[in-house]
Amino acid sequence: KAGVTQTPRYLIKTRGQQVTLSCSPISGHRSVSWYQQTPGQGLQFLFEYFSETQRNKGNFPGRFSGRQFSNSRSEMNVSTLELGDSALYLCASSLKAGGGNEQFFGPGTRLTVL
Amino acid sequence: GENVEQHPSTLSVQEGDSAVIKCTYSDSASNYFPWYKQELGKRPQLIIDIRSNVGEKKDQRIAVTLNKTAKHFSLHITETQPEDSAVYFCAAWEMDTGRRALTFGSGTRLQVQP
Repeated sequence: KAGVTQTPRYLIKTRGQQVTLSCSPISGHRSVSWYQQTPGQGLQFLFEYFSETQRNKGNFPGRFSGRQFSNSRSEMNVSTLELGDSALYLCASSLKAGGGNEQFFGPGTRLTVL
Repeated sequence: GENVEQHPSTLSVQEGDSAVIKCTYSDSASNYFPWYKQELGKRPQLIIDIRSNVGEKKDQRIAVTLNKTAKHFSLHITETQPEDSAVYFCAAWEMDTGRRALTFGSGTRLQVQP
């Protein structure tokens, strides 16, 4: 069974631009969560989608948004990029939404904002 | 919201020794506690998890203990090997009404000296 995939793997943008990241979950998994990983803040939860609906949201500004498609693939969008948005963005999929379900992480997209 | 504290931030042990990493959480309603291992440049991978109705769980050289009363849980690695060198993250699933998310500790960099 193929694992979680993310595209692109690396991205360089400049301040003020916007970016869209993509995540394809493991086949059969309907929940996709997004995380931001930085050296200073560690791993922080962005949001979770299940059946095309956002189920949970972390403490990030409205510039961070996402969506999920009927095939469970998910996209994350960051508008008006800031230097502090430079990070590794990880998505994780699980069979069901909510707690107690093992999450499988993708390789991440490393975003650099100049 | 949930707050997870993890100690120590770095840990160096000799090959064959045991390693212990400790985490505390704040939300007494949290009921799922996974541990992830992240090798340099790789994605986090689940190594063991425990639910709140269990006090201890073991998988070969790895064990996790949970003390619900004190709200802390620990990862124990016995007979450490150089390939155990990585960053380990604990996490707690927050069940607070209106916000359900996986909150991570800040990570422990484990170095096993051959």
